[in-house]
Amino acid sequence: QVTLRESGPALVKPTQTLTLTCTFSGFSLSTSGMCVSWIRQPPGKALEWLARIDWDDDKYYSTSLKTRLTISKDTSKNQVVLTMTNMDPVDTATYYCARIRAAAVTDYWGQGTLVTVSS
Amino acid sequence: DIVMTQSPDSLAVSLGERATINCKSSQSVLYSSNNKNYLAWYQQKPGQPPKLLIYWASTRESGVPDRFSGSGSGTDFTLTISSLQAEDVAVYYCQQYYSTPVFTFGPGTKVDIK
Repeated sequence: QVTLRESGPALVKPTQTLTLTCTFSGFSLSTSGMCVSWIRQPPGKALEWLARIDWDDDKYYSTSLKTRLTISKDTSKNQVVLTMTNMDPVDTATYYCARIRAAAVTDYWGQGTLVTVSS
Repeated sequence: DIVMTQSPDSLAVSLGERATINCKSSQSVLYSSNNKNYLAWYQQKPGQPPKLLIYWASTRESGVPDRFSGSGSGTDFTLTISSLQAEDVAVYYCQQYYSTPVFTFGPGTKVDIK
């Protein structure tokens, strides 16, 4: 059974750095074709893809946010970590991690974690 | 990046009736080497994460009721709910995964009961 769970602070201040952890089970991120992405959704708005890390440690970032994002993985712990620097109130959103199979289909999602940026 | 658009923004359908959602990509998501359309559909209910319904434009994910079907090719796609049930009230998103790794989503279509 594949599960993913996001964890991190619910509240961050403007200019601070956000660190989110995705802890997963039911698959290995060392298996060829497996990837994990981060996606966010501001309240009442659409989904926005942020970043992805692949089984071979290739990393990809949203063009508009790439200067602020870093994604990494710890295969032994089944975790993927996303950091986002210089947080702003417009970054208030539910942040999801999700599994991608065959480097194509996003099939399993975590429940998401709401991050509010406010002073 | 490939831009995805959806229509309508929202629709209300009577129980048991058909619901049709359209999705258009700014460029083709048909990969000629394998003749597959890199297009997925998701259902998102309030307070829940998106759930994968359809991938490769028309392949139903395991466990998804057969009243959900996907069609289309190239740049134009459709999600059809053949007989709307109360539990189908949700927002539906299309997503392209042709332009790796930026798998862009459409803006969503809200489906309600009339």
